[in-house]
Amino acid sequence: GAVVSQHPSRVICKSGTSVKIECRSLDFQATTMFWYRQFPKQSLMLMATSNEGSKATYEQGVEKDKFLINHASLTLSTLTVTSAHPEDSSFYICSAPDRTRTVTDTQYFGPGTRLTVL
Amino acid sequence: TQLLEQSPQFLSIQEGENLTVYCNSSSVFSSLQWYRQEPGEGPVLLVTVVTGGEVKKLKRLTFQFGDARKDSSLHITAAQPGDTGLYLCAGAPREYGNKLVFGAGTILRVKS
Repeated sequence: GAVVSQHPSRVICKSGTSVKIECRSLDFQATTMFWYRQFPKQSLMLMATSNEGSKATYEQGVEKDKFLINHASLTLSTLTVTSAHPEDSSFYICSAPDRTRTVTDTQYFGPGTRLTVL
Repeated sequence: TQLLEQSPQFLSIQEGENLTVYCNSSSVFSSLQWYRQEPGEGPVLLVTVVTGGEVKKLKRLTFQFGDARKDSSLHITAAQPGDTGLYLCAGAPREYGNKLVFGAGTILRVKS
């Protein structure tokens, strides 16, 4: 149980284009999902909290107009990287807590999306 | 200064050796999680510790939560090459709501 999927797993795009990444909770509902960015051999950096039915909350230094988040349903959150540039190339990971479990703040992670901007 | 201090950052050992990874904080956590991540994949949950003083075992891995719920450790006995990966501790401090705070990670390499 508590499976989170991401799509696509890898994407290569040209500079200036927009890329959408989907995060789905497959066997539970998630009113909250989290988006992270990870650089090679480093820990995860929280970008934003995605809230179902309301606006996302962004961490300090993360441009909300650059990284658009939509939490359209209880099982789907999307991250759109707008006007992507090479410096946006990174590994993006989403997570979601399964509130039906005993320990409600344990988060389950998607497999990640490798974005490469040429 | 990170809220969760994880050490060591790098560990390269021979197969069969034991090792311990530490995660320390001045904040109290309602629970702490340990994850293992391989290159190009998302973190996979190993364990969640909840009760102060709790010890959990997962085959050759032993996880401990400090009595005051401010620190945790991961001990691996007789490490295998398959244990190689990035180990992350994470938790949600009371003052952070439901956002996870991560340690810096420990890159473990087990040589055969």
